[in-house]
Amino acid sequence: GQQVMQIPQYQHVQEGEDFTTYCNSSTTLSNIQWYKQRPGGHPVFLIQLVKSGEVKKQKRLTFQFGEAKKNSSLHITATQTTDVGTYFCVSRWDSNYQLIWGAGTKLIIKP
Amino acid sequence: DGGITQSPKYLFRKEGQNVTLSCEQNLNHDAMYWYRQDPGQGLRLIYYSQIVNDFQKGDIAEGYSVSREKKESFPLTVTSAQKNPTAFYLCASSMGFPGELFFGEGSRLTVL
Repeated sequence: GQQVMQIPQYQHVQEGEDFTTYCNSSTTLSNIQWYKQRPGGHPVFLIQLVKSGEVKKQKRLTFQFGEAKKNSSLHITATQTTDVGTYFCVSRWDSNYQLIWGAGTKLIIKP
Repeated sequence: DGGITQSPKYLFRKEGQNVTLSCEQNLNHDAMYWYRQDPGQGLRLIYYSQIVNDFQKGDIAEGYSVSREKKESFPLTVTSAQKNPTAFYLCASSMGFPGELFFGEGSRLTVL
């Protein structure tokens, strides 16, 4: 079936360093959503990207959708302890109404 | 406040027993979903429902059953046929299908 690859699986950073997670698909996506799940919690919607080349910002978070609509990234500038959690991309293809979840990238802040 | 309520939060069951997880939403959303999450993994779709009295199998429906008799309710039954039911179960809803997902706090099922 259709899949979206999300990398890396884990990223350890010092507080104040940047963090980036990537999602890639071999076929064109209709749109992409990003969710954050805190440890022990449930996923919370962050944003949806629809347009080719779209860039959206939420304070220290920057979301991009590739020009070919086959990849997306989430970048966090100057991480804080409140950013800890797992970030998931969720994709949809025009040929399939279902949402497909990436495996997630776990952000770990080094003590 | 509008939201999704899942119960119970924690559940223990013996092998061979069926168990039903409750999911209620007061967001007036048409679509509802059940996901399973195993430790360190992403979410896998069990069942979804776009409207009342209709539901579809997701990727891992075997050993599970659902009903959608009311718009606000979408209970999930984990049957004895599910070989490895210990997991974190998440219920979600969305206004459209598919759309932004709103999740409940989840139910942790442990089979003893």
